[in-house]
Amino acid sequence: NAGVTQTPKFRVLKTGQSMTLLCAQDMNHEYMYWYRQDPGMGLRLIHYSVGEGTTAKGEVPDGYNVSRLKKQNFLLGLESAAPSQTSVYFCASSYRSNEQFFGPGTRLTVL
Amino acid sequence: AQSVTQLGSHVSVSEGALVLLRCNYSSSVPPYLFWYVQYPNQGLQLLLKYTTGATLVKGINGFEAEFKKSETSFHLTKPSAHMSDAAEYFCAVSEERGSTLGRLYFGRGTQLTVWP
Repeated sequence: NAGVTQTPKFRVLKTGQSMTLLCAQDMNHEYMYWYRQDPGMGLRLIHYSVGEGTTAKGEVPDGYNVSRLKKQNFLLGLESAAPSQTSVYFCASSYRSNEQFFGPGTRLTVL
Repeated sequence: AQSVTQLGSHVSVSEGALVLLRCNYSSSVPPYLFWYVQYPNQGLQLLLKYTTGATLVKGINGFEAEFKKSETSFHLTKPSAHMSDAAEYFCAVSEERGSTLGRLYFGRGTQLTVWP
């Protein structure tokens, strides 16, 4: 039982490049979330999903897109990366409004 | 939307001393309450949670927290700090009870340093 996994762990992009972060969970959770963590800001919700095929915007959705084609996977896309998107990204999953389980994070640097 | 305030972005204690990390939330309706811990270069791990029932909640590693409705607080304590407790701690509040969205609102975190 791997829990929540994230790919890749580290990535460096140039401004304007695109990339996709992959989150996978094996707990059969309905709900999945993408957060970004910046120093002194706590975790801020980017997008979330309450089930396969559904997504919704969180607090800071601009510049990001998501897809949930399979229940166990939640993808976060950056179409045109900007330096302001340099951050640590965490994926989480939960069974409804219960506790969330977090992945190990992806450290992204945009030059 | 919920608001979560963690007083003190940095707390330092000596090994063996009491740990007290403060958390206040804004909801007028008792929400679900959580404390998470983050060790360097790792994801967040649940320490404890309050949903219903007893207001004093015990978690892992000797931590506990007390839900005080009148003070809208959920402070985290540990009687005796250990070097291994050095980490960042996040208080989180769920959306109002009955919501099916499951969103969490996080405080900005408190970095705990433990001195030998």
